[in-house]
Amino acid sequence: EVQLVESGGGLMKPGESLRLSCATSGFMIDNYAMTWVRQTPGKGLNWVATSSGNGGEIHYADSVKGRFTISRDNSRKMLYLQMDRLKVEDTAIYYCTKAMTNLNQHLHSWGQGTLVTVSP
Amino acid sequence: EIVLTQSPATLSLFPGETVTLSCRASQNINTYIAWYQQKPGQSPSLLIYDASNRATGIPARFSGRGSGTDFTLTISSLEPEDFALYYCQQRSDWPLTFGGGTKVEIK
Repeated sequence: EVQLVESGGGLMKPGESLRLSCATSGFMIDNYAMTWVRQTPGKGLNWVATSSGNGGEIHYADSVKGRFTISRDNSRKMLYLQMDRLKVEDTAIYYCTKAMTNLNQHLHSWGQGTLVTVSP
Repeated sequence: EIVLTQSPATLSLFPGETVTLSCRASQNINTYIAWYQQKPGQSPSLLIYDASNRATGIPARFSGRGSGTDFTLTISSLEPEDFALYYCQQRSDWPLTFGGGTKVEIK
């Protein structure tokens, strides 16, 4: 069974940094693209970043490019999101997701999410 | 950026009715659309991928159709657990984008 467990969320001030982690199990992470998606409470879904299976291809939403870094440690079955220079508008639930395949970016499995709140 | 427009924003229906949700893309995305269901307090879950393929364990009452720019998700004979939010998502090009969602509520 695929399991994705996020951690690392919290209450932060603008300009601070935070690292989210996603522990994975039940599948070979090397074979799958992994994506972070965020959702402002009560609002819709927004794609944040995607890493290919070997980490060699990475894409970011314009809103986070240059501030967030997605990375993975396949040997530890972990996905990360380093969030620097946080802004109030980064407040959201952050979901770790597993893609259908390394090339098919539909989101097969979702974690329970971790809440990041950025407030002055 | 490919914009996905879902309509309507809210649908009010009785259990047992059939409902069709719409998702329109701002440009041709072939069949690269997925549908997700989100219930209150839960993470989204995949229903349909690549326009018409049901994800594992999804009941046959959920069906997806479309190609190009116009896509639909049909739920035949709504069950109580189907009242939820539904989102579409495209994988045709970066950035990945989602529609704004359609809420299916009990009338």
